[in-house]
This record gives sequence, structure tokens and C-alpha cells, in this order.
Amino acid sequence: QQQVKQSPQSLIVQKGGIPIINCAYENTAFDYFPWYQQFPGKGPALLIAIRPDVSEKKEGRFTISFNKSAKQFSLHIMDSQPGDSATYFCAAGKGSSNTGKLIFGQGTTLQVKP
Amino acid sequence: DTAVSQTPKYLVTQMGNDKSIKCEQNLGHDTMYWYKQDSKKFLKIMFSYNNKELIINETVPNRFSPKSPDKAHLNLHINSLELGDSAVYFCASSQMGFGTEAFFGQGTRLTVV
Repeated sequence: QQQVKQSPQSLIVQKGGIPIINCAYENTAFDYFPWYQQFPGKGPALLIAIRPDVSEKKEGRFTISFNKSAKQFSLHIMDSQPGDSATYFCAAGKGSSNTGKLIFGQGTTLQVKP
Repeated sequence: DTAVSQTPKYLVTQMGNDKSIKCEQNLGHDTMYWYKQDSKKFLKIMFSYNNKELIINETVPNRFSPKSPDKAHLNLHINSLELGDSAVYFCASSQMGFGTEAFFGQGTRLTVV
């Protein structure tokens, strides 16, 4: 129940393409769903996050789509650039809890070819 | 000005040794964490401290002992290191509250030989 399943494990797109990364969760108590971006040799950094009361959130070229009934959410990267090549992690947490604990997906390594 | 800093960045040591990783945050956050990232890049929480008090201990072996001297510091001491402890360890911090961002350090790559 604590798992977050992420797919695909890796993804290669051409510059300008729209990579889509999917995540699914089981625990309906989760109410905070962030996406983190990690470059080699660096720590993960928050990219965008969503709460279950909205179905979509957009920040720049990054969009989260959220389907509460299916317990799924996805990240879309519009007009992808080589600089977007990184590992992306979805996560889930109980934002209303007092622990701040995040359960991470397995990660997706994205390569954007020039 | 680094927000969450860890030292050392790399650590190579022999099995059976004891080692420590230090972490400091200058963001004024009240909660700090240790995460472990394995060779497949899977990130898993190990510990969480809120205002120097342990609030999460995710069934980590007793050989791992976190210590928080104040809310800006969270150190990780590992006794009797094993080959399976090889991983990247990340310190993170956040301000407790609904959906607040966790800031991660650069990581410490621990290699046990």
C-alpha cells in the first residue's frame, strides 16, 4: 500500500518531443504528489507538485495530469530539450501528516537527443 | 550559498569500519531526513527528525544511528560497515507543513570494499 509504481524505466525522445512519465499509487491517504528531477552527481530537486483536488497543473513546459479515481498521475514535458536529460522521480506523501515522509517511484531516466 | 550541505561527498572504506556523514542546512527548516539511493537509483527514506526529535525510523539496521545536535544539523553514523551499505546517501530538509518542498543535499557516495 505504500508503493508508488513508475514507468517507463527509461525514455529516449528527440528534441521537441513530449516525453510522458506515469506513476500509480495505492494508498488513498496520499494527498501530495511531487515530481523531482535529478542530474548526475546531484541531489533530487523539486520540479512541480500537485494536490488531488486539481486534475492538472502546469509550470512552464512541465505539466502534471492527475486522475484521482484511477490513482494515477503523470508528468508531461512539452518541447523537450537536451538539458532536460535527467532522472525523474514521482513521489507521494501525506502532506497533512507531521512527518514529511515521501515515497518515491523507481525513477525514469530521460534522454533528449538533439 | 549551499542550502543543504553534506560531507564528505565521497567515502571509500573497508568492511567492518565505522564512518560518519555530516549534514547541515541553512534554510531554517525544522525537519531533516536521511534517504538512501541504491545502485538502481531507488530512493528510500531512512530517518526523519523534527526539531531534533526522531519521528521516522524506517526499519533501518541498528548499525545506522542518526544524531541531531540541533535542528540545523543531522549526522549519520554507521557502525560495522557492510558491502550492502554501498549507496548514495542524501540528506534533505523541509519545513513541516502541508506539501512543503524537500531540499536535498548533493549526496555522499559511500563505497564499502
